[in-house]
Amino acid sequence: AQKVTQAQTEISVVEKEDVTLDCVYETRDTTYYLFWYKQPPSGELVFLIRRNSFDEQNEISGRYSWNFQKSTSSFNFTITASQVVDSAVYFCALSEAGYSTLTFGKGTMLLVSP
Amino acid sequence: GAVVSQHPSRVICKSGTSVKIECRSLDFQATTMFWYRQFPKQSLMLMATSNEGSKATYEQGVEKDKFLINHASLTLSTLTVTSAHPEDSSFYICSASRKQGSTEAFFGQGTRLTVV
Repeated sequence: AQKVTQAQTEISVVEKEDVTLDCVYETRDTTYYLFWYKQPPSGELVFLIRRNSFDEQNEISGRYSWNFQKSTSSFNFTITASQVVDSAVYFCALSEAGYSTLTFGKGTMLLVSP
Repeated sequence: GAVVSQHPSRVICKSGTSVKIECRSLDFQATTMFWYRQFPKQSLMLMATSNEGSKATYEQGVEKDKFLINHASLTLSTLTVTSAHPEDSSFYICSASRKQGSTEAFFGQGTRLTVV
């Protein structure tokens, strides 16, 4: 069975601080995909990244970066120089190869104050 | 990019009535669509998987007669909440996949249902 754990329920930072959102996953599959989504107060899910299990290269996209470590089953997400607009709930999710259903973590609410 | 449109975005209905939520893939054919439910401040939980032209597959604990899912075409899936009760109030969100076996899924904007 798959499981995604986001231990941080809520994080509060002040603008311009860096913040890391943790994600730990469990799966028995050797091929799987990991995702991060942002859910602003309006509710829609904004896709941020998808990473397959064979690609452990870290990725950077602007102020966002992701650290994938299979050895610790973690896929952490860092926002550099956070901004108020980054305030949202962030979900980490996992899917098995060949399936489009996602198993979501419980989400981390990020509050960035001015 | 692939666009999935969900309608309505918000709906308020009276207890005992039924409400239909539509999920449309606007620029691609969605072989498979998924319906998730999100309680306030909770994660998204998969309710059911629908494949065009066949019966939906419901997750354990989801009432089939309560949550009717129809996937009549490759671009439209509907979720009907029948005889709604206040405990059905929730955020419902759909996702669509271009083909079976694809791990790429595109989400709609979600529907916030309030039953009064």
